Parts: sequence; structure tokens; C-alpha cells
Amino acid sequence: GDSVTQMEGPVTLSEEAFLTINCTYTATGYPSLFWYVQYPGEGLQLLLKATKADDKGSNKGFEATYRKETTSFHLEKGSVQVSDSAVYFCALAFSGGYNKLIFGAGTRLAVHP
Amino acid sequence: EAQVTQNPRYLITVTGKKLTVTCSQNMNHEYMSWYRQDPGLGLRQIYYSMNVEVTDKGDVPEGYKVSRKEKRNFPLILESPSPNQTSLYFCASSQGLAGRGDTQYFGPGTRLTVL
Repeated sequence: GDSVTQMEGPVTLSEEAFLTINCTYTATGYPSLFWYVQYPGEGLQLLLKATKADDKGSNKGFEATYRKETTSFHLEKGSVQVSDSAVYFCALAFSGGYNKLIFGAGTRLAVHP
Repeated sequence: EAQVTQNPRYLITVTGKKLTVTCSQNMNHEYMSWYRQDPGLGLRQIYYSMNVEVTDKGDVPEGYKVSRKEKRNFPLILESPSPNQTSLYFCASSQGLAGRGDTQYFGPGTRLTVL
């Protein structure tokens, strides 16, 4: 079935380090792809999205490119801050009548000063 | 302020005691969903609704009920909770379908413990 696989965490980085969180998906069609972020004690917020192959989503210095050939949507940021410490979820959704996001397990990021 | 609210935020209950978690959105969204979040599993959809009186099962509907009598509200009902329903629950709403790239807006979560 359709699924999302994320790299296991936690990921621990020093401030200003480069971040990559890997995300790959298995899907029978061409889904829309998302990254959501969950800060401690809060609900999920959309970080960025891409709805078709080769699209790049970007927001707050984060970016991810929809790679159909490798079925991937890796999240990157050039210089992380302590305030980026959170859990990051990769997700996919198909067009059609089902309004469902399929999530990966989440990757916890801890950034130290 | 556009938001999704859930109540209660925390709940400890005992097996078999019926409970309802409320969800309300003030954005006039058509679509609403309930998810549960468990460690190592991410979020899984329980039920969703496409409009008033239109609901359908998600991936893990067993043991749950929902209703959508008003557009803004989408309560989650556990008629006989069991310990395996101990989880963190999120309500979400959107104007359009996630598959078309529409943003899902999530509530703050309800942490439920069933003893």
C-alpha cells in the first residue's frame, strides 16, 4: 500500500549546521507531498508542499524538491537554529474523494547552541 | 484568529466510560478529519467528513464514532474506551482536498489515557 518512510531520529545538530531529513514514498499514483512540523506541545503546521514532480516547496529557509524518479522529498535547510527544534513529518495525499494525509513516523530534530 | 480548537486537551479515564472529544473550526471549512498519533507510527486517520452529515472511515476507525451535524463541529466519540485507545488525538480541517495541495489545519491535540 501507499506509505511514507522517514529517516529515524533523533537528529542532533549544532546551531548553523546543515540539515537533511530524508523522506521517500511508495505510491501507486502521483501524490501531493508535504512537510509538516510539530513544535513541543502544539499541533502540526504545514511547513511546505509540492503538488507535482520537480516542484520545489520552500518556507522559512527550508526546502524540498519532489523527485518522481527517486520517489523522494528530502527536507533541507542550510543553517538551522535552536528554534527549529521540533518533530518533522513527511506526508502524501492523493487527489480524489479521500481527504487523507498518509504520514511518516516523524523525525525529531534537536538543535543545540 | 483562524483556528481549530479541541477539548479537553488532556483526559484520563477508565475502560468502558463513554467520552467525547470536541473539535471546532472557525474557518468555514468543508473538510474535517480525526487522526491519532502514536510513537513510531506517525499520524493515522480515524474518520473524515466532507460536509455536514457526510462522514466516512479512515484507516483506524474501530472503536470510534463521529458526527457532523454542523459545519464547524466534528466531535469524536469513544463509546467504550479501551487501553489501546490511549493516544494523542488531532482534529484537522481544510477548505479543499489534501490531494489537491490544500493545507490541513490541525488543532492542538488531546492526550487521552485509558486505564
